[in-house]
Amino acid sequence: KAGVTQTPRYLIKTRGQQVTLSCSPISGHRSVSWYQQTPGQGLQFLFEYFSETQRNKGNFPGRFSGRQFSNSRSEMNVSTLELGDSALYLCASRKVGSGGGYNEQFFGPGTRLTVL
Amino acid sequence: KQEVTQIPAALSVPEGENLVLNCSFTDSAIYNLQWFRQDPGKGLTSLLLIQSSQREQTSGRLNASLDKSSGRSTLYIAASQPGDSATYLCAVGKGYSTLTFGKGTMLLVSP
Repeated sequence: KAGVTQTPRYLIKTRGQQVTLSCSPISGHRSVSWYQQTPGQGLQFLFEYFSETQRNKGNFPGRFSGRQFSNSRSEMNVSTLELGDSALYLCASRKVGSGGGYNEQFFGPGTRLTVL
Repeated sequence: KQEVTQIPAALSVPEGENLVLNCSFTDSAIYNLQWFRQDPGKGLTSLLLIQSSQREQTSGRLNASLDKSSGRSTLYIAASQPGDSATYLCAVGKGYSTLTFGKGTMLLVSP
């Protein structure tokens, strides 16, 4: 079974530009979450999508947004890029159980974003 | 606000040693706890998931325990191997898919 895939794997952008990252979850997984990983702050939760709806959002500015499509694939967008947005962006998927469930999360390889 | 602390931050051991990684969290009202490993520049690999109602989980040479009341979890690695070298991350879950991560323990196992 294929794992979580993320594209692109590497991106270089300049300040002020915007970027869109893509995540394809494991087949059958309907929940997709996004995390930012930096050396200083570690891993921080950005947001989670389930059934095309954002269910939860971390403490990030409105420049960070996302969406989920009917096939559970998700995209996140960062507008007006800042130097501090340079990070590894990780996507995770989870198979939500019938009662909501708290199943294991599986992570993709990440997208390395560098903002110059 | 949930805070997760991992001790030690780095650990270097010779091959074959048994070792324990520690994780503590401030809010005991969690739904689950998950241990991951991360190789340099890579994504996270899930190792073990412990539900809040469980005390421990085992997978091969790995054993993770959970004591919710004291806000602690340990990851025990038996007979360590050079291939175990990686950063080990502890994450607690509360509500949907939100995970709060510790900063990790960087493990180096030398041959």
